[in-house]
Amino acid sequence: EDQVTQSPEALRLQEGESSSLNCSYTVSGLRGLFWYRQDPGKGPEFLFTLYSAGEEKEKERLKATLTKKESFLHITAPKPEDSATYLCAVQAQETSGSRLTFGEGTQLTVNP
Amino acid sequence: GAGVSQSPSNKVTEKGKDVELRCDPISGHTALYWYRQSLGQGLEFLIYFQGNSAPDKSGLPSDRFSAERTGGSVSTLTIQRTQQEDSAVYLCASSLVGGGWYGYTFGSGTRLTVV
Repeated sequence: EDQVTQSPEALRLQEGESSSLNCSYTVSGLRGLFWYRQDPGKGPEFLFTLYSAGEEKEKERLKATLTKKESFLHITAPKPEDSATYLCAVQAQETSGSRLTFGEGTQLTVNP
Repeated sequence: GAGVSQSPSNKVTEKGKDVELRCDPISGHTALYWYRQSLGQGLEFLIYFQGNSAPDKSGLPSDRFSAERTGGSVSTLTIQRTQQEDSAVYLCASSLVGGGWYGYTFGSGTRLTVV
């Protein structure tokens, strides 16, 4: 069974204080790893897809990296508007284009 | 439309009643997904539609849950004889192609409360 574990559950940072969120996964053949951002009362918003170990993707202050067992979401010099819940999800090779398995998320708060 | 539209945004129902949740995906998106998000839990896959193919219903938790997609566009998720454990946010998403490679676009969800 595919599993995704995110840590920490909650993270509080000061504006400008860089940090990383972790996503550990177990999947029988990774087809893709996804990062989403979710604001309160909204649906998740797509950030990145990573396909293979060693891959990195960046968007503004966010950089996602992938190894064979985990992914990190690095947040450089965060701003209060980066406050949100960040969700990680995996898709296994045998799922033929359907389900994603999500972690429970990391709730990030950036204080001004 | 510009995004995925879900209605109603909130629904309170009595235990044992049936409810229907609606999803209007982005025009042209062939793939449509339903997920459920319960408090303190990750998103749980329910069902997936891709074009005219038979839907992947493997995530539906019981036979009280069903979904249909008419004309390859609007989808309705129906929960019969609702139970308190059905209380959750039901999220719909759509994408251009199956597999979500370009990222799903989620709606804002329907918050269902069963009392």
